[in-house]
Amino acid sequence: DVKVTQSSRYLVKRTGEKVFLECVQDMDHENMFWYRQDPGLGLRLIYFSYDVKMKEKGDIPEGYSVSREKKERFSLILESASTNQTSMYLCASRVGAGKLMNTEAFFGQGTRLTVV
Amino acid sequence: EDQVTQSPEALRLQEGESSSLNCSYTVSGLRGLFWYRQDPGKGPEFLFTLYSAGEEKEKERLKATLTKKESFLHITAPKPEDSATYLCAGGYQKVTFGIGTKLQVIP
Repeated sequence: DVKVTQSSRYLVKRTGEKVFLECVQDMDHENMFWYRQDPGLGLRLIYFSYDVKMKEKGDIPEGYSVSREKKERFSLILESASTNQTSMYLCASRVGAGKLMNTEAFFGQGTRLTVV
Repeated sequence: EDQVTQSPEALRLQEGESSSLNCSYTVSGLRGLFWYRQDPGKGPEFLFTLYSAGEEKEKERLKATLTKKESFLHITAPKPEDSATYLCAGGYQKVTFGIGTKLQVIP
């Protein structure tokens, strides 16, 4: 079974802190994604990576950055956490290479981040 | 801009009462239409991929179908354990998700 593991289930951080969310997948997938999920807004893409050291902005990249130094690991960084970044963060990886979204994604269990 | 719209937002069924969830989409160059199940506090779990109009896929009490503008998730004789939020998604180079249908099956 594909496994996508996020480092924390719950996090509480203070406004202005730098926050790191880590994600590891064990199936040698090329593509990895970070989403946030908010009630009434659904899943929104923050960043994605289709290869090591490659990254592309999604729909809502402001206030975030990412790092992919190894194929299996994709990190999301909140440079200076703000209360409007309180959300559920979901990491995913996808079978297949390239940018065409023709295969399903496998999600981690999510990180519930609260910024106070 | 790609759009994926799901209806209804919430659905309450009695155990054994069959129904359908709708996903309408406007996605240029759709490469796949995906259905996921999401339990509270967890990440989405993949159910089906549909690639072309007329295609159908089944898994236990669930059957997904696809037309050129819509996809349906049919639930036959649901059980309480089918209670979850069902998400539809599709895309070309970026996947757009619907907000989901929250299904509650009452014993």
